[in-house]
Amino acid sequence: AQSVTQLDSHVSVSEGTPVLLRCNYSSSYSPSLFWYVQHPNKGLQLLLKYTSAATLVKGINGFEAEFKKSETSFHLTKPSAHMSDAAEYFCVVSDYGSGNTGKLIFGQGTTLQVKP
Amino acid sequence: NAGVMQNPRHLVRRRGQEARLRCSPMKGHSHVYWYRQLPEEGLKFMVYLQKENIIDESGMPKERFSAEFPKEGPSILRIQQVVRGDSAAYFCASSPRGTGPSGNTIYFGEGSWLTVV
Repeated sequence: AQSVTQLDSHVSVSEGTPVLLRCNYSSSYSPSLFWYVQHPNKGLQLLLKYTSAATLVKGINGFEAEFKKSETSFHLTKPSAHMSDAAEYFCVVSDYGSGNTGKLIFGQGTTLQVKP
Repeated sequence: NAGVMQNPRHLVRRRGQEARLRCSPMKGHSHVYWYRQLPEEGLKFMVYLQKENIIDESGMPKERFSAEFPKEGPSILRIQQVVRGDSAAYFCASSPRGTGPSGNTIYFGEGSWLTVV
């Protein structure tokens, strides 16, 4: 069965410093992986997705993620944090395969705090 | 091009009442998903529907919860005899086709926050 683990529940960085949000996945199939961001009391916005094309995926707002099959990881990075990046981030895997319908399975989320 | 529209955005119900949450998918989308987010938790899948069909309801509680996506009109998530534990944010998402092997993107609405008092 597919699953996803976000290794940090809270990450705090200073504005202008790099961001690293860690995610490991488990999948029996070639996975589709996503990162979503949720600002307080708002819906979810797709940052980027990996669907077996290039392993380095570029998303919106300067975020990118690298799919590493050998490490079963899909960490999210950004070179320089901005105050507006403070939000909840979810790593997500699709469960498509062997009769599964492709519903999304969410990690527990990582709260990113950006300090001035 | 309007996104996924959910209403009401906020709903307060007393224990034992019924809650109805509505979701209008993006134009051209025939696949709808409902997710629930409990406080301090990630989103949990509830149900996946196509027009007039339930494709996957493996995440739906066995009692009191039901969902439909009629030929005309929005998708409805219905919770009967609500209890305090039903208090959560309920998110609807839609896609033009199922997510499938190519990972077709699904688009989320802004959520409906249910509070049971």
